[in-house]
Amino acid sequence: DAKTTQPNSMESNEEEPVHLPCNHSTISGTDYIHWYRQLPSQGPEYVIHGLTSNVNNRMASLAIAEDRKSSTLILHRATLRDAAVYYCILRDTDQGAQKLVFGQGTRLTINP
Amino acid sequence: DAGVIQSPRHEVTEMGQEVTLRCKPISGHDYLFWYRQTMMRGLELLIYFNNNVPIDDSGMPEDRFSAKMPNASFSTLKIQPSEPRDSAVYFCATSGGLGLGGYTFGSGTRLTVV
Repeated sequence: DAKTTQPNSMESNEEEPVHLPCNHSTISGTDYIHWYRQLPSQGPEYVIHGLTSNVNNRMASLAIAEDRKSSTLILHRATLRDAAVYYCILRDTDQGAQKLVFGQGTRLTINP
Repeated sequence: DAGVIQSPRHEVTEMGQEVTLRCKPISGHDYLFWYRQTMMRGLELLIYFNNNVPIDDSGMPEDRFSAKMPNASFSTLKIQPSEPRDSAVYFCATSGGLGLGGYTFGSGTRLTVV
């Protein structure tokens, strides 16, 4: 599975935007970029995914670099409930493989 | 939709005992995954099924672990005999497959083997 690199931790303030980076320099053309988050004492939760174009949904935005070697998850206005571990994962759909392999993620702390 | 339902939420057992974890997937989801999470190793994929058939069990730690999916509505993960190092949170997740968004995870079963 192609590997991603994320900072171990980040900190931000409530009601400010948060940009969570992810590097995936070995990404292949058929890899989708997925983001999940895990709130304390809960299972992981799907946030967003994309292939080439930027994506928006009610939770967040995903900005994908033109060469696809990096991406950024954007929380437009962080709340205390956004404090979680955020995982950036590459999902290879070319071989029909369905498995998501989680790395260590970024622990996001939100200050009131 | 009740989501992915796992039971029990907590399980405490003695070393050597058999443990069975259960998962009810979301109706219509044809992929089911079992993950294990520990502080040391993070989230590890143990096994996954497609249409009730095991596809990849390369993450199953050893023969003490087994998983079954007898029908589209139910899956079990069994540990026999259990050991203290099996203590972890076990998650079940399901997916509708390619292009249908993400996985939906259950709330997990926290297993403690003493």
